[in-house]
Amino acid sequence: GESVGLHLPTLSVQEGDNSIINCAYSNSASDYFIWYKQESGKGPQFIIDIRSNMDKRQGQRVTVLLNKTVKHLSLQIAATQPGDSAVYFCAEVKAAGNKLTFGGGTRVLVKP
Amino acid sequence: ETGVTQSPTHLIKTRGQQVTLRCSSQSGHNTVSWYQQALGQGPQFIFQYYREEENGRGNFPPRFSGLQFPNYSSELNVNALELDDSALYLCASSGTSGMFGANVLTFGAGSRLTVL
Repeated sequence: GESVGLHLPTLSVQEGDNSIINCAYSNSASDYFIWYKQESGKGPQFIIDIRSNMDKRQGQRVTVLLNKTVKHLSLQIAATQPGDSAVYFCAEVKAAGNKLTFGGGTRVLVKP
Repeated sequence: ETGVTQSPTHLIKTRGQQVTLRCSSQSGHNTVSWYQQALGQGPQFIFQYYREEENGRGNFPPRFSGLQFPNYSSELNVNALELDDSALYLCASSGTSGMFGANVLTFGAGSRLTVL
């Protein structure tokens, strides 16, 4: 079936370093891919999205890369800060319907 | 502008019981979606409501049902609770159904249900 999954369940990174979170997807018909951040006790918070016809999109300290050839999505966080400690999910969506299909999540731990 | 609020935040039920979870959507949002998030996993889509009608459903049995009210608030009802129903139930609201709006899909903090 359709699935969105992650390669690394836990990522430990030194404060100030860059973080890279990876995600593999299987449904090539998705129109958008999105990264969410979920802190303890909170709901998922939108970080950045990318259309399926794009390869790269940049936001504030974050960059999302999409490689449709190998069905791979990544989130790069520059100069990781303690506030970046959270679980990160990738999700895919088809424009019609607005139903999100989430992956299993990667926990990012920022070491001081 | 208020965000998405959910109640209760935590509750404990026993197998076979019924539960109702409530959600107030963000101001101006007319579409509500519900997700189930088991511990350590990503959220799973249950269903979506738009203009008080179900507008899309995930792979959940009929004992999961919902309502949307004229003020766009929503309820999730689960009958005949099972142990595996223990999870965080997330409500998310968005502005327009049928159009991509993930960047305006605002999640609440969730209702954590424990079934004993």
